[in-house]
Amino acid sequence: DIQMTQSPSTLSASVGDRVTISCRASQSINIELAWYQQKPGKAPKVLIYKASALESGVPSRFSGSGSGTEFTLTISSLQPDDFATYYCQQHYGHPRTFGQGSKVEIK
Amino acid sequence: EVQLVESGGGLIQPGGSLRLSCAASGLTVNGNSMNWVRQAPGKGLEWVSIIYSGGSTYYADSVKGRFTISRDNSKNTLHLQMNSLRAEDTAVYYCTRDGDGVPCEYWGQGTLVTVSS
Repeated sequence: DIQMTQSPSTLSASVGDRVTISCRASQSINIELAWYQQKPGKAPKVLIYKASALESGVPSRFSGSGSGTEFTLTISSLQPDDFATYYCQQHYGHPRTFGQGSKVEIK
Repeated sequence: EVQLVESGGGLIQPGGSLRLSCAASGLTVNGNSMNWVRQAPGKGLEWVSIIYSGGSTYYADSVKGRFTISRDNSKNTLHLQMNSLRAEDTAVYYCTRDGDGVPCEYWGQGTLVTVSS
């Protein structure tokens, strides 16, 4: 199985900060990676797919990059609505594993 | 408007069985692949199973041999048959539908399964 490792697990940041979350795959997954945002008590929603494609309706302050085994989610200027937990998921092979999550907290 | 509505969750004793359903509207369950994803209380997301439009199915190792994913095209509904349930299966179960190149583009609201004596 492909293991997905995110870092950091928790991140404290302020409104307006640039935030970067990393995701590493245990083997190459090409660009078959998605990023999700989840708020407490709510279902996740997809932000980025194919490593860097922005899902329709997602603000342009979110961006994704990477290929192979190293990937990054960047929020260019953190907004109050962005405080949430973020997950990466590979959809290269089965099982379609998720990372353990990265919680973005208010500093 | 796309809607996925899960049902069938509840409290079940260890070793028991439960069948989850996910009723879809605004899309077809056989038009693209559909997944079950679960989240234990206070924990992260865990992918459980997928059924492709062609009918192929795959499972997480943790549920293989115990869970079965299926769909009823006539009722536009996805199912997850869960047998030999364990305490560690306690979670909110979400059904999701892939888009064109977009994994888990649509999500239901989730249904809680609690396995406890």
